[in-house]
Amino acid sequence: NAGVMQNPRHLVRRRGQEARLRCSPMKGHSHVYWYRQLPEEGLKFMVYLQKENIIDESGMPKERFSAEFPKEGPSILRIQQVVRGDSAAYFCASSSQMDSETQYFGPGTRLLVL
Amino acid sequence: QKEVEQNSGPLSVPEGAIASLNCTYSDRGSQSFFWYRQYSGKSPELIMSIYSNGDKEDGRFTAQLNKASQYVSLLIRDSQPSDSATYLCAVNNGNNRLAFGKGNQVVVIP
Repeated sequence: NAGVMQNPRHLVRRRGQEARLRCSPMKGHSHVYWYRQLPEEGLKFMVYLQKENIIDESGMPKERFSAEFPKEGPSILRIQQVVRGDSAAYFCASSSQMDSETQYFGPGTRLLVL
Repeated sequence: QKEVEQNSGPLSVPEGAIASLNCTYSDRGSQSFFWYRQYSGKSPELIMSIYSNGDKEDGRFTAQLNKASQYVSLLIRDSQPSDSATYLCAVNNGNNRLAFGKGNQVVVIP
């Protein structure tokens, strides 16, 4: 499977716990993006990363949220001390260096905070 | 003003008809535009990208861009029941940040 991979596909957390969402970009892609889709709302940009660099985090909430894309391994979106309002679908997308504007989405992680 | 607006409500079209979707955007400097299709409970799937004024055709889909009027449209010819989905308009707002509209739901009636 050469597509964008995300895991877990579904994640249930209690308020105050941490959520870790993983994303492996499409083969050959070095640009990773995270988006959030709240119920009944559109997709919202969160962060844009390349290996070991955060390029644009203008859409990230100021507190509790962080993202990384290490030299080795998947990109990780971490949400600390989750609250009910964090319940959403979190999508990762990737693009190539040659065509960085065209983004392909993974299947998403559905986070439910109880 | 919202960055990307898709104002039309759910669109019902008979099978075989043309579905027409419109999208307007606020940033006059935007250069790249995309249409994604999203089935319920699934992830967005890229249908078309368009960068220049005019029409771009790919199979049954045609994207139209008018930068002077700041709108993008998508036509779906010979609509099929499998085209029933939500269609998302996306605009590159710089630094590869995609701004999405809320989407238009299309229902193709057999």
